[in-house]
Amino acid sequence: AQSVSQHNHHVILSEAASLELGCNYSYGGTVNLFWYVQYPGQHLQLLLKYFSGDPLVKGIKGFEAEFIKSKFSFNLRKPSVQWSDTAEYFCAVNPGTNTNAGKSTFGDGTTLTVKP
Amino acid sequence: DGGITQSPKYLFRKEGQNVTLSCEQNLNHDAMYWYRQDPGQGLRLIYYSQIVNDFQKGDIAEGYSVSREKKESFPLTVTSAQKNPTAFYLCASSVTGTYGYTFGSGTRLTVV
Repeated sequence: AQSVSQHNHHVILSEAASLELGCNYSYGGTVNLFWYVQYPGQHLQLLLKYFSGDPLVKGIKGFEAEFIKSKFSFNLRKPSVQWSDTAEYFCAVNPGTNTNAGKSTFGDGTTLTVKP
Repeated sequence: DGGITQSPKYLFRKEGQNVTLSCEQNLNHDAMYWYRQDPGQGLRLIYYSQIVNDFQKGDIAEGYSVSREKKESFPLTVTSAQKNPTAFYLCASSVTGTYGYTFGSGTRLTVV
C-alpha cells in the first residue's frame, strides 16, 4: 500500500522567510502528485499538481514543488511567505494508472503559521 | 457556480443510530470520494466511485455504506457499526483522479 509522509507537523515562520515543506511517498510505480491547501475557514483546494514532464511545477500564489523521483519526494517551496499563507498543507499521491487513478493517499498535513 | 455541496455542516447523532451525510456536485465529474479527517491526521479514504452504480471500498470502509444512483450524488451512511464515528467528513470529486480533487466544505459529525 502506498503511504505519504510529511515530516513537519507545524512550521512557524516570519514574513519574507523562505519555506520548504517536505513530502515523501512510498510507491514504486508511476505516480501523480499533489499539494492541497486549507486556509482557515475555507475548503481544501488544489495548490499544484505533477503528472509528467518538467519535475519543477508551479502553482498558485507563488508556490512551486519539485519532484525528485530517486528520492520519492515532492517538496513544496515558496521563496518568501506572507501572513496570508498561514494554512494547513497536505501532500497527496495517487497511482498513475487508469484503474486506481482516483485513489489518493494523503499525508498527515503540515500547519504553517506565518508571523507578521 | 459549480461546486460540491455537503450537508448538513454539523450533525449530532445518538449512539446506535445510523446517519446519512449528503454530497452533491454540479461539476459533471465522474469520480466522487469520501474521506474522513481526524485531528492531527491526514485524510483517510472511506469509499470512492468512478462511475454511476459502482463504488469501491477505501482504507477504512468498515461501518460505512454508500450509494451512487446518480452522477451528481454520493451519500454516505455512517452506521451504528462504526465504532468511532465522531470526525470531520469530506466529500470530493474529480474528472478523473489525475486532475486532482474538488472538495466540499465538510460535515462535522458528533456522536453524543
